[in-house]
Amino acid sequence: DVKVTQSSRYLVKRTGEKVFLECVQDMDHENMFWYRQDPGLGLRLIYFSYDVKMKEKGDIPEGYSVSREKKERFSLILESASTNQTSMYLCASRPLAGLGNTIYFGEGSWLTVV
Amino acid sequence: KNQVEQSPQSLIILEGKNCTLQCNYTVSPFSNLRWYKQDTGRGPVSLTIMTFSENTKSNGRYTATLDADTKQSSLHITASQLSDSASYICVVSEGQAGTALIFGKGTTLSVSS
Repeated sequence: DVKVTQSSRYLVKRTGEKVFLECVQDMDHENMFWYRQDPGLGLRLIYFSYDVKMKEKGDIPEGYSVSREKKERFSLILESASTNQTSMYLCASRPLAGLGNTIYFGEGSWLTVV
Repeated sequence: KNQVEQSPQSLIILEGKNCTLQCNYTVSPFSNLRWYKQDTGRGPVSLTIMTFSENTKSNGRYTATLDADTKQSSLHITASQLSDSASYICVVSEGQAGTALIFGKGTTLSVSS
């Protein structure tokens, strides 16, 4: 079974802190994604990466950056956390985009910024 | 604009009953459509995936249908169980390679005893 592991399930950070959310997948997938999920808004794409060292902005990249130095690991960075970044963050991965390729999600990371 | 609309927003049914969730989309060009189940506090898990040439796909008590002409999909749950209580998210892939993913906001289903 494909596994997408997010290192932290629950975090509480202070405004202005730098925050790292780590995601690791074990199936050699090329594509990796970071989403945030908020009530009433659904999942919104922050960044995605289609291969090592490659990244593309999603719909809401402001205040975030990402790093993909190794194929299996995709990190989301909040340079200076703010209270409006309190949310659930979901990492996902899939093989190269294709008609039948399933996207696999991690269990989510609940971030509270106080 | 590419959009995915799900209805109803929420639904409460009794255990053992059937229900149908709807997904309408305006995504073009269409690549595929997925239904995901998301338990509270967990990540979404794939239920079904359908390409434009498929109009029905089942996964146990879950049956998804797709009408690519009217751009509608439904997820039918048969003989509901308490464990079916979750959010169900419809996701449509755009483009020939299915690169871009358009998410619906989900339907929250509560199954009560």
